Amino acid sequence: ETGVTQTPRHLVMGMTNKKSLKCEQHLGHNAMYWYKQSAKKPLELMFVYNFKEQTENNSVPSRFSPECPNSSHLFLHLHTLQPEDSALYLCASSQETGAEAFFGQGTRLTVV
Amino acid sequence: AQRVTQPEKLLSVFKGAPVELKCNYSYSGSPELFWYVQYSRQRLQLLLRHISRESIKGFTADLNKGETSFHLKKPFAQEEDSAMYYCALSPYVGGGKLIFGQGTELSVKP
Repeated sequence: ETGVTQTPRHLVMGMTNKKSLKCEQHLGHNAMYWYKQSAKKPLELMFVYNFKEQTENNSVPSRFSPECPNSSHLFLHLHTLQPEDSALYLCASSQETGAEAFFGQGTRLTVV
Repeated sequence: AQRVTQPEKLLSVFKGAPVELKCNYSYSGSPELFWYVQYSRQRLQLLLRHISRESIKGFTADLNKGETSFHLKKPFAQEEDSAMYYCALSPYVGGGKLIFGQGTELSVKP
């Protein structure tokens, strides 16, 4: 699949579990992003990476830990989440932080 | 504070009717404004941006800095326009880092 790919598409995890969300882009972009979409709330920017370096953390709790090993891959490591963390997590990429963003289809996370 | 407001959660019109999806923003600077669209079972994608001044799929949006608005308009709605529409702003020219509104669901009835 071309574009931005997120896996898994759906994830159910307990509050004591550790899991990771994966995002991969084959567009040659240098900037990658994590967004959170909760019910009844706007899409919220969580993290920004530019050339593998984190350039923004939008006051995200430490139970969310991003990792960007290279410009094509972005992970979101999850541990000891709360039920209110249940949401759709979207990954996006752009050529640079000042260019059009392309989105993945998201991972629907449910914390039980 | 940086904020994007879309006052309507749902907008329902009949095919052929004009459509206006409202968007107001709050930002101390000169942001770039965007409309993103999400069709059923598809990913979020860019519809148009104010800087390009394009008309995409018959939609246009004019940035009104005095009213801090960026309303999306189409003179004659089509059923295939039914989707979620999100207004967004970016502090950067071009986009990337985006602040989104809550979205408006457009339903075009036959």
